[in-house]
Amino acid sequence: NAGVTQTPKFRVLKTGQSMTLLCAQDMNHEYMYWYRQDPGMGLRLIHYSVGEGTTAKGEVPDGYNVSRLKKQNFLLGLESAAPSQTSVYFCASRSDRGIYNEQFFGPGTRLTVL
Amino acid sequence: AQKITQTQPGMFVQEKEAVTLDCTYDTSDPSYGLFWYKQPSSGEMIFLIYQGSYDQQNATEGRYSLNFQKARKSANLVISASQLGDSAMYFCAMRGILIIQGAQKLVFGQGTRLTINP
Repeated sequence: NAGVTQTPKFRVLKTGQSMTLLCAQDMNHEYMYWYRQDPGMGLRLIHYSVGEGTTAKGEVPDGYNVSRLKKQNFLLGLESAAPSQTSVYFCASRSDRGIYNEQFFGPGTRLTVL
Repeated sequence: AQKITQTQPGMFVQEKEAVTLDCTYDTSDPSYGLFWYKQPSSGEMIFLIYQGSYDQQNATEGRYSLNFQKARKSANLVISASQLGDSAMYFCAMRGILIIQGAQKLVFGQGTRLTINP
């Protein structure tokens, strides 16, 4: 199993450009999450999904959109990138059948907006 | 509101010594879970250990143990016999209030950077 994978690993954007980050998981997990990690701060939840076709806002959703058209994929979109969105983005997934119900994280995407 | 506080931005420990990483939390939810994750320099987040709020005993996983003091709202991570490979960022996180349809939000602390010296 590949677990949780993220594409791309690195990206540099100019202000105003758009892009989509792809998260894929092969563990048949129902729940998927997008976080951002900034220096000196822990991870903060952007959006999440409880299943195919459903998404909801986390604590820092402004400037981002998401879609979950297939159970295994969770896409994070930036329509008009801003320097404040320079961050490391992590995707995570979770099953509700595990012992601890822990979240499994992808390797992260480092995004720089100039 | 739920909050996790890690008061140690950085720690330096000699190899083979035990180390305690502090974590305090705040929640009004009677049911919650506490996690510790390790983030090495390569960047991935690795799950280490879990403690449920109703668990009677402290959690242990190999060299990792969680010193859970519910009345003091603390969940410190103890690493015994530290190794060079333990050098990493460590995050404490709390799973608390159910949002919708079983989704569970994780709230993270700021992290502690642990450096093991040879």
